Amino acid sequence: QVQLVQSGAEVKKTGSSVKVSCKASGANLSNYLITWVRQAPGQGLEWMGGIIPVFGIADYAQKFQGRVAITTDESTSTAYMELRSLRSDDTAIYYCARGIQLLDYWGQGTLITVSS
Amino acid sequence: QSALTQPASVSGSSGQSITISCTGTSSDVGTSNYVSWYQQHPDRAPKLMIYDVNNRPSGISDRFSGSKSGNTASLTISGLQAEDEADYYCMSYTTSNTLFGSGTKVTVL
Repeated sequence: QVQLVQSGAEVKKTGSSVKVSCKASGANLSNYLITWVRQAPGQGLEWMGGIIPVFGIADYAQKFQGRVAITTDESTSTAYMELRSLRSDDTAIYYCARGIQLLDYWGQGTLITVSS
Repeated sequence: QSALTQPASVSGSSGQSITISCTGTSSDVGTSNYVSWYQQHPDRAPKLMIYDVNNRPSGISDRFSGSKSGNTASLTISGLQAEDEADYYCMSYTTSNTLFGSGTKVTVL
């Protein structure tokens, strides 16, 4: 059974960075494609980007270009999403999910709160 | 990159059928073979309900079906049940762009 387990909630200061982890179990991460999606409070889903671990190739939404980095560590079957220069409107739940064209398994979500 | 357009809310009585639309452009929904739909209950992660326009993952009820015509994809829920009350999002994938819909709140009356 595929499971994606994310790191815990964090509170960050405006201008700082956050790195959220997503550990895969039940299968080899190199066989996955991983997508990151966020959801601001009371808002809809927003695609941030995705990565093909076996190639290490990441693709990002234009909105986050230059501010986000998605990486993987195949030795620990863990994917990471780092968001820099945090702003208050980055406050959201961040989800990792398996897949690119379709997202069939999701992590439990990580709440990131950004305040000054 | 704007979100795909969905109605903010759709409601129906138990046992009825409802359809949620997801409208994009010829650059996304209109050209994509990879339209998927997600159900999200409050404080829960989204759940895949339909993929590749009209395919159901294992374990998803056949009361859920998907279709596409031109730049609009649709999700139909037949035999509406109380447990179907949730938010629903479409997603369109192309090699140049991935977009979610704005979301639709489904209420079972």
